[in-house]
Amino acid sequence: QQQVKQSPQSLIVQKGGISIINCAYENTAFDYFPWYQQFPGKGPALLIAIRPDVSEKKEGRFTISFNKSAKQFSLHIMDSQPGDSATYFCAASSSGNTGKLIFGQGTTLQVKP
Amino acid sequence: DVKVTQSSRYLVKRTGEKVFLECVQDMDHENMFWYRQDPGLGLRLIYFSYDVKMKEKGDIPEGYSVSREKKERFSLILESASTNQTSMYLCASSLREQYFGPGTRLTVL
Repeated sequence: QQQVKQSPQSLIVQKGGISIINCAYENTAFDYFPWYQQFPGKGPALLIAIRPDVSEKKEGRFTISFNKSAKQFSLHIMDSQPGDSATYFCAASSSGNTGKLIFGQGTTLQVKP
Repeated sequence: DVKVTQSSRYLVKRTGEKVFLECVQDMDHENMFWYRQDPGLGLRLIYFSYDVKMKEKGDIPEGYSVSREKKERFSLILESASTNQTSMYLCASSLREQYFGPGTRLTVL
């Protein structure tokens, strides 16, 4: 019940296309859903996060869509660029749990020029 | 800006050696975490600490221990390094959002 399942494991998109990464969870106590971006040789960095009181959050070309009833959330990268090539992790946590995040397995995105 | 620093970017050790990985954060965060990252396995939590001298096991604590004597510093200890502990080790600190260090790539020969 603590798992966050992420798909696909890898993704190849043409420049200008839309990249979509999906995550699903079981624990209804989760109330914070961040996405992290990791470039090779670097630590993950927070990209965008959402709480379950909204269904969508957009920051530039990055959008999180959240479906509370289905217990699913997804990251959409519009107009994907080669510089977006990285590994993306979704995560979830519940308040009051010492900041511990449950991470998905990660998705390696390659954007071809 | 939050800064999380790790003592080494690359480390090579011999089997059986005691290894210390140090992590320091400058934002007075209560919570600190150690992960290892391996291809295809994502980020796996080794240990975390929610206060000075407090620690809890994560998902894969076997073969590791931790120390948190000061709020800003969280150390990961490999008591007797083994080749299956060759990995990328990531430290993070948080209030709610986790901020990661650059990682230490450890090779155990």
